[in-house]
Amino acid sequence: EVQLVQSGAEVKKPGESLKISCKGSGYSFTSYWIGWVRQMPGKGLEWMGIIYPGDSDTRYSPSFQGQVTISADKSISTAYLQWSSLKASDTAMYYCARQSGLQKDFDYWGQGTLVTVSS
Amino acid sequence: DIQLTQSPSFLSASVGDRVTITCRASQGISSYLAWYQQKPGKAPKLLIYAASTLQSGVPSRFSGSGSGTEFTLTISSLQPEDFATYYCQQLNSYPFTFGPGTKVDIK
Repeated sequence: EVQLVQSGAEVKKPGESLKISCKGSGYSFTSYWIGWVRQMPGKGLEWMGIIYPGDSDTRYSPSFQGQVTISADKSISTAYLQWSSLKASDTAMYYCARQSGLQKDFDYWGQGTLVTVSS
Repeated sequence: DIQLTQSPSFLSASVGDRVTITCRASQGISSYLAWYQQKPGKAPKLLIYAASTLQSGVPSRFSGSGSGTEFTLTISSLQPEDFATYYCQQLNSYPFTFGPGTKVDIK
């Protein structure tokens, strides 16, 4: 069974750093792109970027380029999303999702990680 | 970036109704379009990919059509569990943008 399990909720202060994780299981982790999607409170879905764990090839949305870093450790089947300096506007639910092979849709999703940034 | 618009943004319907949601792309995307359903507090769920292919396990009352710039998601007979927000996503070129969503509510 394909599963993506994300790390738990985080409460941080502005200016702090953060790295959240997404662990895949039940499939060949290195053979599928993993993406990250932001959902701000009460808002829609925003595609942030994706990584191919096999070779760490990464693509970012221009809206998020330079604001976050996407990485992966294939030895432990885990993808990451990190911030070096959080802002209050980063408060959101973040989902990881597996991109399907051919059509590139997100066929499996993690449960989401809620990030709250508040002073 | 390719922009997606959805109409309507909000829809009030009754159980048993036929519901149609439209997604329009700012440029042609062939059939590189997916539809997702999201219920409050839950992760999105893939319903349809390649514009018209039903994801495994999704009820056949859901269907998708279209190509190029105009796409539709149809629910043939709305069920209580279908009240949710629906998003389209283009998969033609990076970034793989989502539409703004259509909330389907109970009349």
